[in-house]
Amino acid sequence: AQTVTQSQPEMSVQEAETVTLSCTYDTSENNYYLFWYKQPPSRQMILVIRQEAYKQQNATENRFSVNFQKAAKSFSLKISDSQLGDTAMYFCAFMKHDHDFGNEKLTFGTGTRLTIIP
Amino acid sequence: DAGITQSPRHKVTETGTPVTLRCHQTENHRYMYWYRQDPGHGLRLIHYSYGVKDTDKGEVSDGYSVSRSKTEDFLLTLESATSSQTSVYFCAIREENTGELFFGEGSRLTVL
Repeated sequence: AQTVTQSQPEMSVQEAETVTLSCTYDTSENNYYLFWYKQPPSRQMILVIRQEAYKQQNATENRFSVNFQKAAKSFSLKISDSQLGDTAMYFCAFMKHDHDFGNEKLTFGTGTRLTIIP
Repeated sequence: DAGITQSPRHKVTETGTPVTLRCHQTENHRYMYWYRQDPGHGLRLIHYSYGVKDTDKGEVSDGYSVSRSKTEDFLLTLESATSSQTSVYFCAIREENTGELFFGEGSRLTVL
């Protein structure tokens, strides 16, 4: 079974600064997806960024980027120029890529609560 | 808008009563999921479905059952609710090309 570990339960950073959230995972699979989801106080789950394991290039989405280290099984999220609206819970998640067996399930870490301080 | 809705959004019930949560999608996606969210645990998979009448258990399936008689609806049933099932429940659908999950707005269930 896959496991996802987020070792930082809470973080805070000043507005406009850069912050990095860590995530490690454990798997014997070679083909998989990794995700970061954001959950603001509204409770809605929002996809921040997605990475396919076979792609060596790190994914970026505007102010959000990842550092994907496949050998180390590490998938950290960097938020640049942080904004008050970035205040949220952030979840790292793993999904095995397995079309043939209907066995594609998303496994989440326990989350990091990020607070952006004005 | 991913076209996924959950009902009810809030429910308070008593121990021992049956409860059914409904997830409805308008996008015709094959994969649907039920997760529960609890402090300190993140989101944990209860059950999932990969087609009509095709379902399987997740990591916390005890005390829950599901049914999917048509593509658009995935029902989660608590046959006899317990206080440990007080939680926020999320339904999700999966975009098959990208692997991305789209989530409903969540259903808060309180079992007294």
